[in-house]
Amino acid sequence: GESVGLHLPTLSVQEGDNSIINCAYSNSASDYFIWYKQESGKGPQFIIDIRSNMDKRQGQRVTVLLNKTVKHLSLQIAATQPGDSAVYFCAENSSYGKLTFGQGTILTVHP
Amino acid sequence: EPEVTQTPSHQVTQMGQEVILRCVPISNHLYFYWYRQILGQKVEFLVSFYNNEISEKSEIFDDQFSVERPDGSNFTLKIRSTKLEDSAMYFCASSLFMERSEAFFGQGTRLTVV
Repeated sequence: GESVGLHLPTLSVQEGDNSIINCAYSNSASDYFIWYKQESGKGPQFIIDIRSNMDKRQGQRVTVLLNKTVKHLSLQIAATQPGDSAVYFCAENSSYGKLTFGQGTILTVHP
Repeated sequence: EPEVTQTPSHQVTQMGQEVILRCVPISNHLYFYWYRQILGQKVEFLVSFYNNEISEKSEIFDDQFSVERPDGSNFTLKIRSTKLEDSAMYFCASSLFMERSEAFFGQGTRLTVV
């Protein structure tokens, strides 16, 4: 069946470092992926998305990489700031707009 | 910036009682969703809704659950007879398109069943 999962449940970095959060998916037919950020007590917030016809997509301080060969997705955050501390989820957009979320990675940024 | 709004932010109810969670999706969006998140776990899909019909529902969304868009702005989730295991954060989301479209989430309603 479909599943989207994360390799690392927690990640601690120093302010200013780059962060990399990883995600594995199992449905090779998946064609659209989204990274969400969730702060404590809030709903998931869209960060960046990527379609399966792309390998890389860049936003402001964030980059998503997609490796379809090994069904792997990563989120890179440049110059991580304390405000980036949150739980990060990858999600697969499948039928009827349904999102299948991974387990989440807790990112902690130390000043 | 347009946003999805949910009310109430926190609902406490007794087991067996009915609850209605309310959402106002973004006004020009056409697709609506409910998700839930049990404390410390991942976000789980419950149901998607389009054109006044359920498009897809998960195994969680059993006969105790129902959704409705009673007017042009509200989207509700009803749980007829709550169970302790229904305690979770419930998130409403909406999107403009069905596929390959960013879904915007509300802040959530924390449901506590006692």
